[in-house]
Amino acid sequence: KAGVTQTPRYLIKTRGQQVTLSCSPISGHRSVSWYQQTPGQGLQFLFEYFSETQRNKGNFPGRFSGRQFSNSRSEMNVSTLELGDSALYLCASSFEVSYGYTFGSGTRLTVV
Amino acid sequence: GENVEQHPSTLSVQEGDSAVIKCTYSDSASNYFPWYKQELGKRPQLIIDIRSNVGEKKDQRIAVTLNKTAKHFSLHITETQPEDSAVYFCAAKDSGYALNFGKGTSLLVTP
Repeated sequence: KAGVTQTPRYLIKTRGQQVTLSCSPISGHRSVSWYQQTPGQGLQFLFEYFSETQRNKGNFPGRFSGRQFSNSRSEMNVSTLELGDSALYLCASSFEVSYGYTFGSGTRLTVV
Repeated sequence: GENVEQHPSTLSVQEGDSAVIKCTYSDSASNYFPWYKQELGKRPQLIIDIRSNVGEKKDQRIAVTLNKTAKHFSLHITETQPEDSAVYFCAAKDSGYALNFGKGTSLLVTP
C-alpha cells in the first residue's frame, strides 16, 4: 500500500514569505500529526488532526497553522517565514495516535 | 505539556554488545510509549512500542521496559550489529493527542 506522501520534498523561501506543505496519509488513517525536526531540538510536535479537527497543538507561534480535509489529507502553513523556520517538516499518520505512526519522507524547508 | 528526557545523547558500542537507552516522562497519564529508529537521511520508523498496562515487551533482539511508578522506560538492544547504527527516539503520548519525542540517541555500533 502507498505510504505517507509529502510534497514538495524541498523548498527554498525568502524571509517574510509564506509556505504551504502538503501531506497525504495512508489510506484509512484519520490521525495526522506534524513535526518540525532540527539537529539540536529533535522532533518537535506542531499539531495533530483527526477527522478534520485539530485536537492538539504544540508550543509554536500562531504563524504555524494547519488543516485537514475530509479525505484526511492535511496541509500546514507557515506565514511570515523566519530564518529559524529552516527545518525538516515531517508528517505522520495512523488510525489513532496510540496505534503507531508512519512517517512521510518530509519536506526540507530552507529560509534565506 | 509532556516533557520527555532521553539519555544518553550518543552511545558507542562494539558489535555483539548490548545497548540501553533510557527515557523519562512527566505526564503521569501517559499511556503509550513508542520507539523510532531514524537512519541517516531517512524517515523515522517505528521499531517497538509499549502501552501502560504492560511492563515489558520483546521483539527478537529488541526489548522495551516500562516503570510507570518512576515514569521511565528503556530500550534494550542485544547482540548489536553495525546496521543498528542510527538515531533512536523515544516518545510518550500525553493525556491528550500529542506524541512527544525525546531529543534522540545517536547509536554507533563498531565492528
